[in-house]
Amino acid sequence: EPEVTQTPSHQVTQMGQEVILRCVPISNHLYFYWYRQILGQKVEFLVSFYNNEISEKSEIFDDQFSVERPDGSNFTLKIRSTKLEDSAMYFCASNREGNQPQHFGDGTRLSIL
Amino acid sequence: AQSVTQLDSQVPVFEEAPVELRCNYSSSVSVYLFWYVQYPNQGLQLLLKYLSGSTLVKGINGFEAEFNKSQTSFHLRKPSVHISDTAEYFCAVRPILTGGGNKLTFGTGTQLKVEL
Repeated sequence: EPEVTQTPSHQVTQMGQEVILRCVPISNHLYFYWYRQILGQKVEFLVSFYNNEISEKSEIFDDQFSVERPDGSNFTLKIRSTKLEDSAMYFCASNREGNQPQHFGDGTRLSIL
Repeated sequence: AQSVTQLDSQVPVFEEAPVELRCNYSSSVSVYLFWYVQYPNQGLQLLLKYLSGSTLVKGINGFEAEFNKSQTSFHLRKPSVHISDTAEYFCAVRPILTGGGNKLTFGTGTQLKVEL
């Protein structure tokens, strides 16, 4: 069964540095999402992306965050200047139609020092 | 806006015993409902979903859930658990209306621990 894949599985970065988290959604999917889960807290929506533009974003997704689909397969989340509170597990998800269940990757654990 | 409440943060249960994980939601519009499972060091895997039709839905690994609109609940059940069911379980909702967005709103999760 096709999967959403995320790299790296664990990223350690110094505070203030830029970080890019990478995702390869399922190949025929058209809608893409990022969620995050701070340790011990609930999974929170960050952003959704369709037709090469952001379709919805949460209040968490401020100017420090950006998303991009640089080619036909990758979907990236960039954090421009990381803060300690950005430490979390970041999940990428995708679906073919917006109303279908979302398929999640295994996540990238981001640790900010 | 939607919110999801999972009152039980941890549920210990013996192997082969039945289990129920509770989920209540609040929403001003109709929603689709989902249960996801997260095994250690893995991503979220869809267990089951309620979109419409029969209020009792069956999912993978012998789990089922019942949608109760009047009580705004979507409790997850399994008649006999196995050690391999030990994981974190998340209830989630998303609005049905077009233009309501596709984002999932999650509960805080319930850690199911199956013991011998």
